[in-house]
Amino acid sequence: KQEVTQIPAALSVPEGENLVLNCSFTDSAIYNLQWFRQDPGKGLTSLLLIQSSQREQTSGRLNASLDKSSGRSTLYIAASQPGDSATYLCAVRTVAGNQFYFGTGTSLTVIP
Amino acid sequence: SQTIHQWPATLVQPVGSPLSLECTVEGTSNPNLYWYRQAAGRGLQLLFYSVGIGQISSEVPQNLSASRPQDRQFILSSKKLLLSDSGFYLCAWSSSGALSGNTIYFGEGSWLTVV
Repeated sequence: KQEVTQIPAALSVPEGENLVLNCSFTDSAIYNLQWFRQDPGKGLTSLLLIQSSQREQTSGRLNASLDKSSGRSTLYIAASQPGDSATYLCAVRTVAGNQFYFGTGTSLTVIP
Repeated sequence: SQTIHQWPATLVQPVGSPLSLECTVEGTSNPNLYWYRQAAGRGLQLLFYSVGIGQISSEVPQNLSASRPQDRQFILSSKKLLLSDSGFYLCAWSSSGALSGNTIYFGEGSWLTVV
């Protein structure tokens, strides 16, 4: 069964810093990997989707990379802002069973 | 555009009482539908998913059940709630085609507290 792990579990940085969130998964047979943002008490909002044939995706200050063979992805956030404070989750869509498996998330706090 | 609605938003229920959470999707047809539970520090746990009317797959044995009476309606139920059923429940949908490019969309969630 696919297992998704995110490190660190929590991160606190001063405003303006660049930061990297990590995601690893055990089964490389995936259709895609996604990064989501979750604000407290809310649902998840998709940030970036990387298809299995792609290496990275960019949206504004966010850049996500995928190394499928090693089972790793990173989310890079440039010039962090207080509004970036949220929990960030990664998820993989598996080939077997066609399901989405989520990591436990990284809780990010950007200090003004 | 597609939208997903989930209700109720919050629920406080006594142990042993029944549960019904409802989810509907608009603007798409034949979606894949999912129920997840999010407990503190444990991430999202997939409870049920459905690829069509009446087709339900369960990921984990539990006190809950799911039904899909219509194409865009997904219901999470329990006959008798346990304290351990407390948590944040999220309904989600994804398109059934073009798998590699498909994202999953979430409702706003339902907070269930069993007392």
